[in-house]
Amino acid sequence: DAGVIQSPRHEVTEMGQEVTLRCKPISGHDYLFWYRQTMMRGLELLIYFNNNVPIDDSGMPEDRFSAKMPNASFSTLKIQPSEPRDSAVYFCASSPYRGRIGELFFGEGSRLTVL
Amino acid sequence: SQQGEEDPQALSIQEGENATMNCSYKTSINNLQWYRQNSGRGLVHLILIRSNEREKHSGRLRVTLDTSKKSSSLLITASRAADTASYFCATENSGYSTLTFGKGTMLLVSP
Repeated sequence: DAGVIQSPRHEVTEMGQEVTLRCKPISGHDYLFWYRQTMMRGLELLIYFNNNVPIDDSGMPEDRFSAKMPNASFSTLKIQPSEPRDSAVYFCASSPYRGRIGELFFGEGSRLTVL
Repeated sequence: SQQGEEDPQALSIQEGENATMNCSYKTSINNLQWYRQNSGRGLVHLILIRSNEREKHSGRLRVTLDTSKKSSSLLITASRAADTASYFCATENSGYSTLTFGKGTMLLVSP
């Protein structure tokens, strides 16, 4: 398996623009997580899905952030409109276990810079 | 919010030496995990220790867990330059199906 695949790897955009980050989890994994990593705040959980259903989105910073998982092999994280403080590395991770989290398999991340 | 807090924030050692990193947490856990992150890359799972386990080994890695003190340690023996990375502890909290990460320890192993 190719692992968790994220795109784009790098994105530079201007404040106010819409940003869409994409994730393809490992086939057969039931859980999908979106994390954000910054130097100041470390790794923060934004939202996670179980069997394509959002379970906890309490970490989503504000209404400008939204995430979807239309099927088991694809998820998106959208920021609209983007702001400079959204600059971070966004990670997608998946987990194969049913009923518990276990270990996470991370993608390589999408580094977002908002100017 | 951060559950695990790693200590030290940064560690610099010579090849062949042992590296010890510590993690403290606040609430009851189901398990505690350690991850490694090379610069510019994603996190890679190293080892998982359950709340009813006290020690676990994997290759050159040794993890201990003391639930009474709410702390864990990761020992890397005979370190190599390739071990240079950031190391994170993550806790799966009792009652919650999420993993909460600490801010990590940056390990530098010099040849």
